Amino acid sequence: QKEVEQDPGPLSVPEGAIVSLNCTYSNSAFQYFMWYRQYSRKGPELLMYTYSSGNKEDGRFTAQVDKSSKYISLFIRDSQPSDSATYLCAMSRNYGGSQGNLIFGKGTKLSVKP
Amino acid sequence: GAGVSQSPSNKVTEKGKDVELRCDPISGHTALYWYRQSLGQGLEFLIYFQGNSAPDKSGLPSDRFSAERTGGSVSTLTIQRTQQEDSAVYLCASSRDRGRFDTQYFGPGTRLTVL
Repeated sequence: QKEVEQDPGPLSVPEGAIVSLNCTYSNSAFQYFMWYRQYSRKGPELLMYTYSSGNKEDGRFTAQVDKSSKYISLFIRDSQPSDSATYLCAMSRNYGGSQGNLIFGKGTKLSVKP
Repeated sequence: GAGVSQSPSNKVTEKGKDVELRCDPISGHTALYWYRQSLGQGLEFLIYFQGNSAPDKSGLPSDRFSAERTGGSVSTLTIQRTQQEDSAVYLCASSRDRGRFDTQYFGPGTRLTVL
């Protein structure tokens, strides 16, 4: 079993829909939970991060972490065609300073149709 | 400011040849990471440099892979005797290593194809 599992999709939704992306993990030592967005032929860019359990909101994006269930989610409200990309969850064990190496899910490819 | 840059952007090589991939991190970033992204395996950690500390090589898949970082800045990833399974996008990231959370900034990657 991989440490981080993520459904690769693809996921296709109409513009304006609410998108839910999820990852599960097996290692209870993970402390930081991140969502990266990757456009085609580009490197990943950090969207949001959460420390430990809880919710975090940034504009149309909400990240949730449930450490008891080892489950994390990213919600995108009012999705736009420009949100079409691959979304990767990532996790790290370290607290403070450099996070060290990140453990990534395989990514979910999202397509938002106009 | 300038982001992480990588060269070449694409590299096609023949099986058995050696290749060198270059990464220029963001100026002032002390931490540098190499990852590999392939269709089957997703994004996997390879090696991590932090300041003057010994690198964390725990993700290197075989002894054909090595990396160095000169002067705490530019890094080179070398793959010797390339195999077809080495075909992937090789991504470099850097971070400042300050504060509670340290964002890793990724370069655009080098797409390696081994024929």
